[in-house]
Amino acid sequence: GDSVTQMEGPVTLSEEAFLTINCTYTATGYPSLFWYVQYPGEGLQLLLKATKADDKGSNKGFEATYRKETTSFHLEKGSVQVSDSAVYFCALTKSGNQFYFGTGTSLTVIP
Amino acid sequence: GAVVSQHPSRVICKSGTSVKIECRSLDFQATTMFWYRQFPKQSLMLMATSNEGSKATYEQGVEKDKFLINHASLTLSTLTVTSAHPEDSSFYICSVREGGTDTQYFGPGTRLTVL
Repeated sequence: GDSVTQMEGPVTLSEEAFLTINCTYTATGYPSLFWYVQYPGEGLQLLLKATKADDKGSNKGFEATYRKETTSFHLEKGSVQVSDSAVYFCALTKSGNQFYFGTGTSLTVIP
Repeated sequence: GAVVSQHPSRVICKSGTSVKIECRSLDFQATTMFWYRQFPKQSLMLMATSNEGSKATYEQGVEKDKFLINHASLTLSTLTVTSAHPEDSSFYICSVREGGTDTQYFGPGTRLTVL
C-alpha cells in the first residue's frame, strides 16, 4: 500500500545552519506530496506541496522537489531560524481524502 | 488556504462523561471533513471521514458508537467522545478538504484529558 517514510529525529541545528529532512514515498499512480509543520500544542499547517514530478514547492524559505525517479520529496532550507523549531510531517495523497503521513521529524534550532 | 477552527482547544473531564468537539470551516463550505487522533510524539491517525448530510465513514478499528460524528451543515462537524475514559485522552484534530483540490487544511486541535 501507499506509505511515507521520513527520517527520524530529533534534529538539532544551530541557527543559520542548512536543513535537510529526508522523505521517501511508496505509491502507485501519481500522488500529490506535502510538507506540513506542527508547532507545539497546535494543529498542522500546510508548508508546501507539489502535485507532479519535477514540481518544486516552496514557502518561507523551505523547498522540496518532487522526484519521481527516486520517489523522494526532501525538505530543505538554507538557513534555519529558532522560530523554525517544530515537528515536520511529510504526506501524500492521491484523492485528497486518504492522506498518508510520515512519523514526523522534530527540529530544534538553537541560537 | 482554508481556515479551520476547533472548539474547545482544551478540555478536561471525568471518566464516564461525554465530550463534544466542534470543527468549523470558516471561509468555505466543506462537504467533507476529517477527524484525526494524534498520540504524543506520533503521527496522525485518521479516525473518520465526515460527510455533510450523511453518515460518517469510520476507519477500521475506530468504534463508531464511541466516537459519534455529526456533520449537520457545510461548515460544522462535531465529534462526541461518549463515556470517555483515560485511554481516550489524546489530541484530536479535524481537517477540511479544499474544494477542487487535493489539499487538506487542519484545525488547531483539541487536547482532551480524561481523569
